[in-house]
Amino acid sequence: AQKVTQAQTEISVVEKEDVTLDCVYETRDTTYYLFWYKQPPSGELVFLIRRNSFDEQNEISGRYSWNFQKSTSSFNFTITASQVVDSAVYFCALLSPGAGSYQLTFGKGTKLSVIP
Amino acid sequence: DAMVIQNPRYQVTQFGKPVTLSCSQTLNHNVMYWYQQKSSQAPKLLFHYYDKDFNNEADTPDNFQSRRPNTSFCFLDIRSPGLGDAAMYLCATSRSQSSYEQYFGPGTRLTVT
Repeated sequence: AQKVTQAQTEISVVEKEDVTLDCVYETRDTTYYLFWYKQPPSGELVFLIRRNSFDEQNEISGRYSWNFQKSTSSFNFTITASQVVDSAVYFCALLSPGAGSYQLTFGKGTKLSVIP
Repeated sequence: DAMVIQNPRYQVTQFGKPVTLSCSQTLNHNVMYWYQQKSSQAPKLLFHYYDKDFNNEADTPDNFQSRRPNTSFCFLDIRSPGLGDAAMYLCATSRSQSSYEQYFGPGTRLTVT
């Protein structure tokens, strides 16, 4: 069975602070994919990143960075110099296609509030 | 811009009155998904189409049906909405089943009165 845990339900930071959103996953498959999505108040889920299980390289995209560690089954997301526009719910998700399922298993989400 | 479009953005229906939500995409993706997202919860997959092949999740109630008349359009039919079906319904697409990024539409918020 697959499971994604986002232990932080809500986080508040002051603008320009750095913030890390935690994600821990469980799967028995050796091939799997990890994702982060952003859901602003408008409701649309915005794709941020996909990571393959066989690629542990960390990634940086502007103010966003992702730390993938298979040893701890974690895929954490850091926003540096946070901005008010970063306020949203962030979902970590897992997809394990080995069993023929293409269902994204989402965590419960972390609501990030960036205070001006 | 290529995108996933959902209409309407807000839908109000009466208890037991059938309702249809629509989704269209200009991405020419083979796979289309329907998710249900209740307040403060994660999205939950209802079903997906790979081309014309329909794949229902085991725990999706029979009250929910879907149609995909062509590549661009997909519909979610709720035959007899109950109060518990009030939720955001999200449509998503992916290029293929081996291309795993899913691109989501803005959602339709369904209210059942």
